[in-house]
Amino acid sequence: GENVEQHPSTLSVQEGDSAVIKCTYSDSASNYFPWYKQELGKRPQLIIDIRSNVGEKKDQRIAVTLNKTAKHFSLHITETQPEDSAVYFCAASMGGQNFVFGPGTRLSVLP
Amino acid sequence: DSGVTQTPKHLITATGQRVTLRCSPRSGDLSVYWYQQSLDQGLQFLIQYYNGEERAKGNILERFSAQQFPDLHSELNLSSLELGDSALYFCASSEGGNNEKLFFGSGTQLSVL
Repeated sequence: GENVEQHPSTLSVQEGDSAVIKCTYSDSASNYFPWYKQELGKRPQLIIDIRSNVGEKKDQRIAVTLNKTAKHFSLHITETQPEDSAVYFCAASMGGQNFVFGPGTRLSVLP
Repeated sequence: DSGVTQTPKHLITATGQRVTLRCSPRSGDLSVYWYQQSLDQGLQFLIQYYNGEERAKGNILERFSAQQFPDLHSELNLSSLELGDSALYFCASSEGGNNEKLFFGSGTQLSVL
């Protein structure tokens, strides 16, 4: 089955700097790659997603890139703010099945 | 509010007991997923249902079972509970088909004492 790895497990950045989180997946059949943000004690919330027919997608300060050949995708957050502090999860799915999440990255944005 | 409703929010029980967690998906969503999140851990996929049928199975223990009813709500049954089953259990739903965006409920915090 699908296996998703995520790095780093923790990341600290200064406010205003950029943050990058990387994920790799194992199943080449996976075609949908979302990112979720989970604040302490709350539910995971979708922040951005990308499909396998697209190489890059951007939404304001966040962007996701996908390299199908290498089977990895990345989340980029620019101009980080304290409210970006949370745990971020990547995931991979094939047609909505086997929706597997990475282990998460705890991002801390320091003022 | 995601539109996914989970009950109860908190559940405290003893080892060896059996509990049922309930999830109502967003209106119109056909797929329901169950995840287990232990303290400071990731989201472990347990099981997925689509329109009443089991669609995918993850690392779900034999002591655990689930089903999706004709009205599309789902229940996760946990039996012979152990201390290690203490976790936050999330339900998520999606439209299914080509729309895979998952929307999570607020979770049920299970404490096994």
